[in-house]
Amino acid sequence: AQSVTQLDSQVPVFEEAPVELRCNYSSSVSVYLFWYVQYPNQGLQLLLKYLSGSTLVKGINGFEAEFNKSQTSFHLRKPSVHISDTAEYFCAVSGNTGFQKLVFGTGTRLLVSP
Amino acid sequence: DSGVTQTPKHLITATGQRVTLRCSPRSGDLSVYWYQQSLDQGLQFLIQYYNGEERAKGNILERFSAQQFPDLHSELNLSSLELGDSALYFCASTLSGASTDTQYFGPGTRLTVL
Repeated sequence: AQSVTQLDSQVPVFEEAPVELRCNYSSSVSVYLFWYVQYPNQGLQLLLKYLSGSTLVKGINGFEAEFNKSQTSFHLRKPSVHISDTAEYFCAVSGNTGFQKLVFGTGTRLLVSP
Repeated sequence: DSGVTQTPKHLITATGQRVTLRCSPRSGDLSVYWYQQSLDQGLQFLIQYYNGEERAKGNILERFSAQQFPDLHSELNLSSLELGDSALYFCASTLSGASTDTQYFGPGTRLTVL
C-alpha cells in the first residue's frame, strides 16, 4: 500500500516569490507520482507526473517537481508565483503496475498575496 | 473544461433519503473513478470501473453503490443518507485505467444532507 504526506496545510507567499510545496511518499513497490491542482469551485487538474527517466519533471503553468527516491520525496516548485496560482495542490502516488489507484495527500493550500 | 460532465451540480436532501449522481466520461475514456472530498476526510477514492466492470474499491460504504453502463456513463447511488455524507463527489475518467494514465476530473457534485 502507498501513502502520501503533505506536511504543509497552507503556504502563504508573496507574488513573484519562489515557492516549494513538499510531498513525501511511502510505498513498498515502485511508484508513479503526480501533482494535481484544484482551483476554487473546480475539479482537479493534472500539473505534472513522474513515470520514469529524468527525475526533474516540468509541468504546466511553470511548475516543476523533482523525484528523489532516496528521500522518498516529490516536492513541487515554482520560481515566481502569480496571484492566479492561489489554489489547493494535491500530491498523489500510484503503484506502477496494474490499474491505477491514486492515493492523495491531504493537500496544501497556496495563498499568493500582492 | 476537462470533458468530464457531472450532474447535478448541487444536491440538497434530507437524512435517510437516497440520491443518484451521474457522470459522463471524456469521449473515448473507458475507465471511471469516483472520489469523495470532505473537510475531515480529504480526498478519498471510492470505486473504479473499467468498460462496465468494477475494478477497484476504496473506502466506499455499504450504503453506497455504483455502476457503469454500456454507454460508459456511470452513476453513484447513495442511500440512507447521513449528515456525514455531505461532501463534494468527483468523478474522473482515464483512457484505460493504466497506472500511467492522467485522470481527468469533472467539476463535482456538492451534496448537502440536512
